[in-house]
Amino acid sequence: DIQMTQSPSTLSASVGDRVTITCRASQSISGWLAWYQQKPGKAPKLLIYKASSLESGVPSRFSGSGSGTEFTLTISSLQPDDFATYYCQQYHGFSTFGQGTKLEIK
Amino acid sequence: QVQLQESGPRLVKPSETLSLTCSVSGGSISSDYWSWIRQPAGKGLEWIGRIYTSGTDYNPSSGSTNYNPSLKSRVTMSVGPSKNQFSLKLNSVTAADTAVYYCAREAPEGFGEQWGQGTLVTVSS
Repeated sequence: DIQMTQSPSTLSASVGDRVTITCRASQSISGWLAWYQQKPGKAPKLLIYKASSLESGVPSRFSGSGSGTEFTLTISSLQPDDFATYYCQQYHGFSTFGQGTKLEIK
Repeated sequence: QVQLQESGPRLVKPSETLSLTCSVSGGSISSDYWSWIRQPAGKGLEWIGRIYTSGTDYNPSSGSTNYNPSLKSRVTMSVGPSKNQFSLKLNSVTAADTAVYYCAREAPEGFGEQWGQGTLVTVSS
């Protein structure tokens, strides 16, 4: 299995902040990585695929980068609607997800 | 854009079979990739597997499947029971299988483009 490790597990930030979440793969996955946002009681929502491609309709303040084993999700200026849990997913082999990063209001 | 809706028993007894159906509206399930993902309460996401649906819009049929190796011996995915539906069966369930189960439409590369709202299945006697 390819293990995905996200950091941090919890992140406290304020509206307007720039935040970065990191996801590391246990082996190279090229660029086969997606990012999702999940709010309580809701299904995950696709934000980014192929490491850096923005899903249609997702605000441009979200961006992704990386390749190989290290990836980042950046939110350039946090909005109130962005406080949620974020997951990375690799789909190089059978899919596995990171453990999640909870983005909280400071 | 398609919409997905999971349905099935909310309570399953240990050692029995969990059966869920995903109903797809707003499009055909033919020639596309469909998956199941689960999430235990307060925990992360686990990909269960996916099915590629072959056939036609009028008669979609089960195509190839790929399963999570850790669940492969207990999982079966198929098309049906009705048109524009696909199903999940997980046998010999235990309390560890208690989770919210999501169905999703996957891009061919393997990420989930659209998700159902999820359904909580509890394994308990």
